[in-house]
Amino acid sequence: EVQLLESGGGVVQPGMSLRLTCEASGFTFRREAMSWVRQAPGKGLEWVSTISGSLDSTYYADSVKGRFTISRDNSKNTLFLQMNNLGVEDTAIYYCAKDARSGGLVLDYWGQGTLVTVSS
Amino acid sequence: DIQMTQSPSSVSASVGDRVTITCRASEGINNWLAWYQQHPGKPPRLLMYDASRLQSGVPSRFSGWGFGTDFTLTISGLQPEDFATYYCQQAKSVPYTFGQGTRLEIK
Repeated sequence: EVQLLESGGGVVQPGMSLRLTCEASGFTFRREAMSWVRQAPGKGLEWVSTISGSLDSTYYADSVKGRFTISRDNSKNTLFLQMNNLGVEDTAIYYCAKDARSGGLVLDYWGQGTLVTVSS
Repeated sequence: DIQMTQSPSSVSASVGDRVTITCRASEGINNWLAWYQQHPGKPPRLLMYDASRLQSGVPSRFSGWGFGTDFTLTISGLQPEDFATYYCQQAKSVPYTFGQGTRLEIK
């Protein structure tokens, strides 16, 4: 059974940093691209970032480029999202999701999400 | 960026009804389209991909159609568990983008 468990969310002030973690199990982690998708309170879904299984490719939404860094540790089946210089607009539930295939974004498994609140 | 526009934003229907949700892309995306269902407080669930392929485990009352810029998701014979919010998402190019969502409510 595929399981994705996010952690690391919390309340931070604008300008601060936070690191999200997603622990994966139930599939061959190193073979699969992984993504982060966020959802602001009461709003729709926003793709944030994707990393290939082999670590050779990363992609970012313009809204987070230069501030967020996606990474993974295939030896520990873990995905990360380092978020720097956070703003109130980054307040959202952050979901870790597994890509169903390489090429294009089709997210077949999602974690329960971790809430990030940026507030002064 | 490719913009995805869903219509309607919300729709009311009864159990047993047939409902169709439309998604339009701002430029052609071939069949690189996915549909997700989300219940309140839950993560999204993949329903369809490649516009018309049913994800494993999804009931056959869900169907998808479309190519290029215009797509539809149809639910035939609504069940109580189908009342949720539905999102389309283009899978053709970065930045990947979602529609704004369609809320399906019980009439």
